[in-house]
Amino acid sequence: AQTVTQSQPEMSVQEAETVTLSCTYDTSENNYYLFWYKQPPSRQMILVIRQEAYKQQNATENRFSVNFQKAAKSFSLKISDSQLGDTAMYFCAFMKQGGMNRDDKIIFGKGTRLHILP
Amino acid sequence: DTGVSQDPRHKITKRGQNVTFRCDPISEHNRLYWYRQTLGQGPEFLTYFQNEAQLEKSRLLSDRFSAERPKGSFSTLEIQRTEQGDSAMYLCASSRDLGDQPQHFGDGTRLSIL
Repeated sequence: AQTVTQSQPEMSVQEAETVTLSCTYDTSENNYYLFWYKQPPSRQMILVIRQEAYKQQNATENRFSVNFQKAAKSFSLKISDSQLGDTAMYFCAFMKQGGMNRDDKIIFGKGTRLHILP
Repeated sequence: DTGVSQDPRHKITKRGQNVTFRCDPISEHNRLYWYRQTLGQGPEFLTYFQNEAQLEKSRLLSDRFSAERPKGSFSTLEIQRTEQGDSAMYLCASSRDLGDQPQHFGDGTRLSIL
């Protein structure tokens, strides 16, 4: 079974600073996806960034980038130039890669609550 | 693309009552998922459909829970004889069945059991 662990329940940083959220996972699969989802207070979950396990290059999306270490099963999220709108719950998540018998349910971590301070 | 829609946004009910939630996926998304999120936790998978077929159910889905997706469009999740432990946010997500497409989430239905 797959597990996702986020060891930082809560973090606070000043606006414009850089912050890194940690995530480790465990799986015996070789082909999978990793995600970071953002859930603002009382708002819907949105996908921030996605990494395919077969790709060595770390994914980036504007101010968001990941550090994917497959051997260490580590997948951290870096937010550069943090903004007040980045305040949210952030979930690290895992999904097996598809095939004939697709099993694409997402396994989520417990989340890290991030506060961006003005 | 109007997004995944869930109704109601909030439901308060007494223990022992039955409740039903509705999810309308993004049009042309033939995969639909239900997750449950309790306070301070990440979402946990409950079940999913491909078109009208329910392909997998989590062990979290006790026999008091039933989900349907008639005609492969909207889905309903019913909880019978609600218990205190059913209090949670129930999230619906949908995706296309074209390779490993991202899941798009709705706002969720927050269930409170009195």
